Amino acid sequence: NAGVTQTPKFQVLKTGQSMTLQCAQDMNHEYMSWYRQDPGMGLRLIHYSVGAGITDQGEVPNGYNVSRSTTEDFPLRLLSAAPSQTSVYFCASSYHRGGAKDTQYFGPGTRLTVL
Amino acid sequence: LAKTTQPISMDSYEGQEVNITCSHNNIATNDYITWYQQFPSQGPRFIIQGYKTKVTNEVASLFIPADRKSSTLSLPRVSLSDTAVYYCLVGDRNYQLIWGAGTKLIIKP
Repeated sequence: NAGVTQTPKFQVLKTGQSMTLQCAQDMNHEYMSWYRQDPGMGLRLIHYSVGAGITDQGEVPNGYNVSRSTTEDFPLRLLSAAPSQTSVYFCASSYHRGGAKDTQYFGPGTRLTVL
Repeated sequence: LAKTTQPISMDSYEGQEVNITCSHNNIATNDYITWYQQFPSQGPRFIIQGYKTKVTNEVASLFIPADRKSSTLSLPRVSLSDTAVYYCLVGDRNYQLIWGAGTKLIIKP
């Protein structure tokens, strides 16, 4: 199993540009989520999904869109990039949404810089 | 609202035992408490989890008192490779995940 994969690893955008961060998992996990991690800070939840066709907002959803058309894929779209979105983005998945007892598997992250 | 508190940073020396405590309140009564480790430029990875009392695996121990208002991650005989950020994770009554802010552990030779 490849686990959770994310592309790209690095990205530089100009203010106002849009882009999609890709996330895929091959573990047949129901629950997938996106986090951002700013320097010296913890993880903040952007959006999550409990299954194909079902998404919901997390703590910091503004400026981001998600969709979940398949169990495997959960892309994150930046609609109009802003410097405040400069961060490292992590995708995670777990078997289902059962709280902390469900092990979260993280991807390697995408480091995004918005100029 | 569930909330977690853990120290921002700690340092220790190789060969020592390190204990990191996370305080948490209003957590789901039937959920576990889980700890993750994160190295630079990587995503967090699972270390250990427990419900109450003591759990031990090949890398760590986890102590959870009966009131479950805190948990202590214990790393025995640390080495330089244990330098990382450690996060506690709990769930609230709505299965929302509540991450601690992370404890940056630095191990010195």
